[in-house]
Amino acid sequence: QQQVKQSPQSLIVQKGGISIINCAYENTAFDYFPWYQQFPGKGPALLIAIRPDVSEKKEGRFTISFNKSAKQFSLHIMDSQPGDSATYFCAASLYNQGGKLIFGQGTELSVKP
Amino acid sequence: SAVISQKPSRDICQRGTSLTIQCQVDSQVTMMFWYRQQPGQSLTLIATANQGSEATYESGFVIDKFPISRPNLTFSTLTVSNMSPEDSSIYLCSVELPMRSTDTQYFGPGTRLTVL
Repeated sequence: QQQVKQSPQSLIVQKGGISIINCAYENTAFDYFPWYQQFPGKGPALLIAIRPDVSEKKEGRFTISFNKSAKQFSLHIMDSQPGDSATYFCAASLYNQGGKLIFGQGTELSVKP
Repeated sequence: SAVISQKPSRDICQRGTSLTIQCQVDSQVTMMFWYRQQPGQSLTLIATANQGSEATYESGFVIDKFPISRPNLTFSTLTVSNMSPEDSSIYLCSVELPMRSTDTQYFGPGTRLTVL
């Protein structure tokens, strides 16, 4: 019940295209859903996050769509660029569990020029 | 955000030895976390380290194998004890900071450990 399932495992997108990564969770008590971006040899960097009281959040080219009834959320990267090539992780946490993050399996994104 | 540094950035160790990883933050934080990221895998929480209390370990991780210290609000160490090749991973510390309406975790650069 604590799992977060992420798909696809890898994704290849042409420059300028839209990259879409999906996550699904089981525990309806999760109340915070961040996305992290990780480049090789670096620690994960917070990209964007959402709480379940909103259905969408947009920051620049990055958008989170949240479907509470389906227990799913997704990351959309508009106008994908080669510099976006990285591994993306979704995560979920419970406020009353002291910020413990449960991570998805990760998606390796490659944006071709 | 916070500036988080880890030492060492990487190390190659022999089986049976121990390595202590340091995590330093540029601001005082209550909650610090240690994660493990095995090659090509996702992140798994090892333990939560709050200053002034014993670390809380997740299922599958024990204090004898991964002792943690948290002497103050800006520093923590994780020791990987009696290492085996299966301990080869990236070890990451993270801190929780309040950001607008929620608490958010920021990660250090990681320590890449190879055990021979």
